[in-house]
Amino acid sequence: DAGVIQSPRHEVTEMGQEVTLRCKPISGHNSLFWYRQTMMRGLELLIYFNNNVPIDDSGMPEDRFSAKMPNASFSTLKIQPSEPRDSAVYFCASKPGQGRSPLHFGNGTRLTVT
Amino acid sequence: QKEVEQNSGPLSVPEGAIASLNCTYSDRGSQSFFWYRQYSGKSPELIMSIYSNGDKEDGRFTAQLNKASQYVSLLIRDSQPSDSATYLCADPFNKFYFGSGTKLNVKP
Repeated sequence: DAGVIQSPRHEVTEMGQEVTLRCKPISGHNSLFWYRQTMMRGLELLIYFNNNVPIDDSGMPEDRFSAKMPNASFSTLKIQPSEPRDSAVYFCASKPGQGRSPLHFGNGTRLTVT
Repeated sequence: QKEVEQNSGPLSVPEGAIASLNCTYSDRGSQSFFWYRQYSGKSPELIMSIYSNGDKEDGRFTAQLNKASQYVSLLIRDSQPSDSATYLCADPFNKFYFGSGTKLNVKP
């Protein structure tokens, strides 16, 4: 089991640039979650998918953020244009089914916007 | 009010003592909870789950769920310096919201 794979591990970009974060969930997991973690706000849920369909995106901060899941093995989180306040660690996590299974986290992407 | 609340700490305990971490939640429909541990610079990892009222023990860890009072706790017996981390509770009933985490420091 390769676990949840996120890329890149670190991203440094300038304000105004487009940023794309990538996630490969564990094979067989059909729920995928994107979180953002900062010291001030903790671990915030941004959006989650079931069977590749976005179920709740109420945590997405604003229209600059978008997420897609074109198939069961890949998801992206895009920020366009990026701003310094977007600097955070972004985690992707997946779980099997819709029952009481726990989430499995990727190693995260540390984003720095200068 | 956040769906899941935790005291951010830090909570400091001496090595060998019992560390008690608490979490309160707002949705009476919540049925089960997970406890995650997060070391600095790492991703959260699952350490305990609890699905029913009462206590659940796993080694040095005991999770407690009290639905009437809407709180869930984690006890760590014989605390070790390696237990120093941030502990997060999660509510899978509510879109997997996480508490803000409690930082635990175990002093040798």
